[in-house]
Amino acid sequence: GNSVTQMEGPVTLSEEAFLTINCTYTATGYPSLFWYVQYPGEGLQLLLKATKADDKGSNKGFEATYRKETTSFHLEKGSVQVSDSAVYFCALTNAGGTSYGKLTFGQGTILTVHP
Amino acid sequence: DTGVSQDPRHKITKRGQNVTFRCDPISEHNRLYWYRQTLGQGPEFLTYFQNEAQLEKSRLLSDRFSAERPKGSFSTLEIQRTEQGDSAMYLCASSLGLTNEKLFFGSGTQLSVL
Repeated sequence: GNSVTQMEGPVTLSEEAFLTINCTYTATGYPSLFWYVQYPGEGLQLLLKATKADDKGSNKGFEATYRKETTSFHLEKGSVQVSDSAVYFCALTNAGGTSYGKLTFGQGTILTVHP
Repeated sequence: DTGVSQDPRHKITKRGQNVTFRCDPISEHNRLYWYRQTLGQGPEFLTYFQNEAQLEKSRLLSDRFSAERPKGSFSTLEIQRTEQGDSAMYLCASSLGLTNEKLFFGSGTQLSVL
């Protein structure tokens, strides 16, 4: 079956530091990959996605590249802000068919950014 | 776009009681999903609807759980004879039903079973 493994947290950084949150996956076929973010008191929101190998998803300064050879989708940001403090979830779905909204999530990584 | 709304935000119940949660999706969205999230874990898929049809149910959804989406609008998730292991955040999400599109999540209903 499908599975997603994220680096263990929590992660604590100073403002303007470089961020990497590792994500690796196991899936059959060619899954689509996502990063969702959950800010305090809010619902999960899609941050970025990539639907095929070597695609790079990007949004709000965050980037992640779909690496099929290493089954990874690491999240990076060059300079974090206090407002980036949130829980980040890596997720996948098997593209095609009718189950594309059925996501498999990692356990989440708590990010705290200090001024 | 008023977002996905869930009611109630919090529910405390005693073991053995029945509980029902409601989800109102974004109005034009024909897909609706239920997920469950326990502390320190990512959400786990429970079930989803295409309009009023329930198309898939996870093995996590025991026979004590039932979900409906009458007329393809709002949905309800009922848990009968609650157990302490049912304590979790229950999340609802909706989408237009297109491949690889994003899901819009509600803020969830936090269930505590005493």
